[in-house]
Amino acid sequence: KAGVTQTPRYLIKTRGQQVTLSCSPISGHRSVSWYQQTPGQGLQFLFEYFSETQRNKGNFPGRFSGRQFSNSRSEMNVSTLELGDSALYLCASRPEQETQYFGPGTRLLVL
Amino acid sequence: AQSVTQPDIHITVSEGASLELRCNYSYGATPYLFWYVQSPGQGLQLLLKYFSGDTLVQGIKGFEAEFKRSQSSFNLRKPSVHWSDAAEYFCAVEAAGSYQLTFGKGTKLSVIP
Repeated sequence: KAGVTQTPRYLIKTRGQQVTLSCSPISGHRSVSWYQQTPGQGLQFLFEYFSETQRNKGNFPGRFSGRQFSNSRSEMNVSTLELGDSALYLCASRPEQETQYFGPGTRLLVL
Repeated sequence: AQSVTQPDIHITVSEGASLELRCNYSYGATPYLFWYVQSPGQGLQLLLKYFSGDTLVQGIKGFEAEFKRSQSSFNLRKPSVHWSDAAEYFCAVEAAGSYQLTFGKGTKLSVIP
């Protein structure tokens, strides 16, 4: 099976803009999670979706949002970008009750 | 809320030497436990996991980990390190039904040839 794919892999934006990141899970996986990785805060959970429903959400401001489509693909959106949003954004998918498998990430740089 | 502590930020070992990376967690019950590895600029690769049962878990690339409930620990070990093992290692826990991983800050491993 193909692994988790994330697009784009790299992205440069300026403060105040918005950005949308995409994640395609492993075939058959219905759960998709998003994590933010920064040098200062490490890996932090953003949210998790299952069958188009958000089941859990981390402690991030409302500027961070996500959604999942009927084919399990997921997008996350960050509005009004701040410099501190520069990070590696990781997507993970899994079958129910099983291990999460991570994609290569999207590296976002906010200038 | 659960938390994970990886006391060692950076460890350097010689190739062929043994390795132990420490991980302690805080959680009211027994969580699911994981070790992931990340090479520079890459995503996370699962090394091994513990859900229940035998407390000594075997993983990929010759790694193993032992769950010790009394010490709330899940230390990662490898008997002989290879230069290709140089990477950052993350311990993570998941509370049953939470659908989220809580990660430690990571331990960066350097290997001296």
